[in-house]
Amino acid sequence: DIQMTQSPSSLSASVGDRVTITCRASQSIHTYLNWYQQKPGKAPKLLIYGASSLQSGVPSTFSGSGSGTEFTLTISSLQPEDFATYYCQQSHAMMWSFGQGTKVEIK
Amino acid sequence: EVQLVESGGGLIQPGGSLRLSCTASGFTFSSYWMHWVRQAPGKGLVWLSCMNADGSDTRYADSVRGRFTISRDNTKNTLYLQMSSPRAEDTALYYCASSLVGASFPHFVSWGQGTLVTVSS
Repeated sequence: DIQMTQSPSSLSASVGDRVTITCRASQSIHTYLNWYQQKPGKAPKLLIYGASSLQSGVPSTFSGSGSGTEFTLTISSLQPEDFATYYCQQSHAMMWSFGQGTKVEIK
Repeated sequence: EVQLVESGGGLIQPGGSLRLSCTASGFTFSSYWMHWVRQAPGKGLVWLSCMNADGSDTRYADSVRGRFTISRDNTKNTLYLQMSSPRAEDTALYYCASSLVGASFPHFVSWGQGTLVTVSS
């Protein structure tokens, strides 16, 4: 199975900050990488698919990049509603797995 | 409106069995891969299993292979997860989710709100 490792596990940031979260795969997954946002008590919400494609309705402050084994999610200017937990997910060969999550907290 | 509604969760004793259901509406159920994902209290998301649109292809995570069985009934727009020999570590909120068949970059397009399973004696 492909293992996904996110870093950091948590971070504290202020409104307006630029935030970057990294996700590494244990083997190449090309660009079969998605990002989700989850708020407490809610189901996850898709942000980015195919490593860099922004889901419809998601603010352009979110962006994704990477290929192969290393990927990043960037929030260019953190907004109050962005404080949440973020997960990467790989879908290579239809065997799926998630990273352990990154909790973004208010500084 | 697209909806996925899970049901069947509850308290189950170790070694027992339980069947979860996920009823879909608002989309063509038979055009989607369907998935089960769980989240233990305060922990992260864990993908468990998926089944293709016609039920001919199933995949499982190592943690549940041989204990859990995924199935679907396209006439009822319903996905199932049969849980056998549950362990305390199977205690979690269980979500169903969908991904479109043939998508260039597969991803989950819809999620349910989850059904809680507690394994305890």
